[in-house]
Amino acid sequence: QSVLTQPPSASGTPGQRVTISCSGSTSNIGSYTVNWYQQLPGMAPRLLIYINDQRPSGVPDRFSDSQSGTSASLAISGLQSEDEADYYCATWDDSLNGPVFGGGTKLTVV
Amino acid sequence: EVQLVESGGGLVQPGGSLRLSCAASGFTFRSYWMYWVRQAPGKGLVWVSRINSDGSSTNYADSVKGRFTISRDNARNTLYLQMNSLRDEDTAVYYCAREADSGLSWYLDLWGRGTLVSVSS
Repeated sequence: QSVLTQPPSASGTPGQRVTISCSGSTSNIGSYTVNWYQQLPGMAPRLLIYINDQRPSGVPDRFSDSQSGTSASLAISGLQSEDEADYYCATWDDSLNGPVFGGGTKLTVV
Repeated sequence: EVQLVESGGGLVQPGGSLRLSCAASGFTFRSYWMYWVRQAPGKGLVWVSRINSDGSSTNYADSVKGRFTISRDNARNTLYLQMNSLRDEDTAVYYCAREADSGLSWYLDLWGRGTLVSVSS
């Protein structure tokens, strides 16, 4: 059972906009910014979004995030087949004195 | 090239030990906090341990506390994870990751490709 709660799966068609939610508590999302990671099949995770909608070089602006209270969400617009991957939210947790991850959401582009 | 390369994984029996290494290159290793994160087969990411830039401070997840030891050699640009008293549930891909030098927020901005640890009799 992960500290942060994500839906196990999400899907969309090419060109569509999809969102993935991430729910936590006051000791994590309620106190710190959420970041998102993308894990392509068989690959290592990579940083996708950090500090309120910042993206590392090479990440398209089709990816965006938002955060309010103890919840956050990742939005992907103009969905492409290459976006098919697992997505994880993460942040710091004061109660655990360590980082916490969501359980991951498997995105399927149908 | 900025990268992290893990090694040392393999098959070990329950109760056994293993030491993982993570070789860093392309950046000033001694300036960063470093992490180990694991992923059991078909499961999500789970934080294991972290160490500060000079190695004087460490933290562990409850599931590995007392069994795993994180350390680093800044002269060799290498991070380690000594794993003792291994259990079946420690089976996972272990990733080495770098904490961003942000000062504003916590996030891991560089990940290795991982090394697989299998605990089985």
